[in-house]
Amino acid sequence: GAGVSQSPRYKVAKRGQDVALRCDPISGHVSLFWYQQALGQGPEFLTYFQNEAQLDKSGLPSDRFFAERPEGSVSTLKIQRTQQEDSAVYLCASSLVGGPTNYGYTFGSGTRLTVV
Amino acid sequence: AQSVSQHNHHVILSEAASLELGCNYSYGGTVNLFWYVQYPGQHLQLLLKYFSGDPLVKGIKGFEAEFIKSKFSFNLRKPSVQWSDTAEYFCAVNALDAGNMLTFGGGTRLMVKP
Repeated sequence: GAGVSQSPRYKVAKRGQDVALRCDPISGHVSLFWYQQALGQGPEFLTYFQNEAQLDKSGLPSDRFFAERPEGSVSTLKIQRTQQEDSAVYLCASSLVGGPTNYGYTFGSGTRLTVV
Repeated sequence: AQSVSQHNHHVILSEAASLELGCNYSYGGTVNLFWYVQYPGQHLQLLLKYFSGDPLVKGIKGFEAEFIKSKFSFNLRKPSVQWSDTAEYFCAVNALDAGNMLTFGGGTRLMVKP
């Protein structure tokens, strides 16, 4: 597609529920990133894939967060047993090659997760 | 670990006023620097970037930024703002030997009054 597509746009989850957030990167983009943006703050790095390999997951806040990109294209961010502090906008970004230094990131519009 | 500070959280200007948004980062190594803009209801878009060379970089829509290495700063400027510049602006750093991720500042919300 023309841009990075994320679904759903909005998700309301009851505390303790599991959620799955989907990211469709731009076709052919090798690198894929997930960020978490809490209200009133800048995005914070969660994890990074190069093709299907998860090369960096240092930003995942707890073992309740899990991300995968099994075929090197679509990625899913899964949050188990959601907590109120997980409420945020989850952003996905993709890049053609390597990191932002080469071609820059293209960001999706995000998924706004609200845990009630 | 690197960090990025944007000191102005909210800025209100009248049209035609000049704009300068501050950005400071803390990292001792080589960095690439970025400004992103998020218009209401839209996704983050790249405004401009600095990799190397001329420390004064020009971006889209008349924006520019100057990298001052000695001050660890990368301030964003525009000589004359328009109502359509109302948006949130994020400064970001990529530390070259610390991975491919971007570290973002907290953002500056700019409102331009017509």
